Amino acid sequence: DAGITQSPRYKITETGRQVTLMCHQTWSHSYMFWYRQDLGHGLRLIYYSAAADITDKGEVPDGYVVSRSKTENFPLTLESATRSQTSVYFCASSERVRGYTFGSGTRLTVV
Amino acid sequence: DAKTTQPTSMDCAEGRAANLPCNHSTISGNEYVYWYRQIHSQGPQYIIHGLKNNETNEMASLIITEDRKSSTLILPHATLRDTAVYYCIASDNYGQNFVFGPGTRLSVLP
Repeated sequence: DAGITQSPRYKITETGRQVTLMCHQTWSHSYMFWYRQDLGHGLRLIYYSAAADITDKGEVPDGYVVSRSKTENFPLTLESATRSQTSVYFCASSERVRGYTFGSGTRLTVV
Repeated sequence: DAKTTQPTSMDCAEGRAANLPCNHSTISGNEYVYWYRQIHSQGPQYIIHGLKNNETNEMASLIITEDRKSSTLILPHATLRDTAVYYCIASDNYGQNFVFGPGTRLSVLP
C-alpha cells in the first residue's frame, strides 16, 4: 500500500536499552522527519533528512540517532533509552510545497 | 518562520460552518500558510495550504486576508468527526522549519 508506515505501533523498553523505531514511505519523497509529542509540549522536531545520506538535527536531538541509507527508510534509534524519552513518535515525509504526510505514530514507554 | 497565533479552543455546532482564525502578522512574502489537524492519538493530517489567494479543496476553504497577516480555515459543514486540534503554520521552507504550536482545539457539538 502506498503511504508512510511506522513500526512498531507500541513499544515498551527498559531504561538503558537500545531501541529503533522504523519509518518507511512509498512515495520517494525527498524529505523525512521525526517528531515527538508529549503532553504540554506539542510536536517537537527531533531530526530531519533532506535526502538519502543527508540528515540534520531538529529542536530536540539529544539521545537520538538517525540514518538514511535509502530514500524510503528513516529509522530513529534511541541508543540508551531514558524515561524522559517516553513519548509518542511521529514520522513524516514531504515533497516540495505540498506539505507533510504523517505516519500513525509509535507509542514508546521506557520503564 | 513567522509566528502564528491561534485561539486555544473553539466550539461549533454540528452542521454549521466552523471558522478557525490564525494570526501571522510577521509573515514574509514567500511564506505559505499551512493548516493541519490532529484527531486524538493520530498523526497530524494535512488540510490545505495557500500563499496569497483563497484556496478550497474537498476538506476546507482557506481565506487569506489581502495583507496576509491573518487567515481563516473554514470547515463548511462541521461534523463530530471534525473534532480535533487544528494547527496553523507559516513557513517558506517545507523542509526544516515546520513548527507546530499548541493549535486550536475544536469541539463539534451535537
